[in-house]
Amino acid sequence: EPEVTQTPSHQVTQMGQEVILRCVPISNHLYFYWYRQILGQKVEFLVSFYNNEISEKSEIFDDQFSVERPDGSNFTLKIRSTKLEDSAMYFCASSDGGTFSPLHFGNGTRLTVT
Amino acid sequence: AQSVSQHNHHVILSEAASLELGCNYSYGGTVNLFWYVQYPGQHLQLLLKYFSGDPLVKGIKGFEAEFIKSKFSFNLRKPSVQWSDTAEYFCAVTLNTGFQKLVFGTGTRLLVSP
Repeated sequence: EPEVTQTPSHQVTQMGQEVILRCVPISNHLYFYWYRQILGQKVEFLVSFYNNEISEKSEIFDDQFSVERPDGSNFTLKIRSTKLEDSAMYFCASSDGGTFSPLHFGNGTRLTVT
Repeated sequence: AQSVSQHNHHVILSEAASLELGCNYSYGGTVNLFWYVQYPGQHLQLLLKYFSGDPLVKGIKGFEAEFIKSKFSFNLRKPSVQWSDTAEYFCAVTLNTGFQKLVFGTGTRLLVSP
């Protein structure tokens, strides 16, 4: 079964540094998402992306965050200047449709900001 | 704003016991409902979903869930759990309006002892 792959599985960075989290969605999928889960808290929606633009974003997704699909396969989340509170598990997901298509999630990238 | 409540944070059962995990949501309009499972070290996987029709939905691995609109509930059940069901279970909801901005519950960690 095709999978969503995320790299790296764990990233440690210093506060103020930029990080890029990478995702390879399932190849024929058109809708892409980032979610995150701070330790002990709920999985939270960050952003959805379709047709090379952001379709919806949450309050969390401020100017420090950006997403990009630089080529036909990768989908990246960039945090420009990381803060301690950005430490979380970040999940990428993709689907082949909108409302009624299930999301396929990656294994996540654990980001630790020190 | 939508919210999802999962009443049990940790559940411990013996094999062959019956399982019911509670999930309530707060939103007055039409919603789509999901249960996701995350096995240790793995990605979130869709167990089952409800969009419309029969309120009793069957998912993978013998799980089922019942949508009770009057109670705003979507409880997950399995008649007889196995050790391999040890995982974290997440209830989630989206509005029936397009992109899958999932709102997750806090999750229930299930431990099945052999």
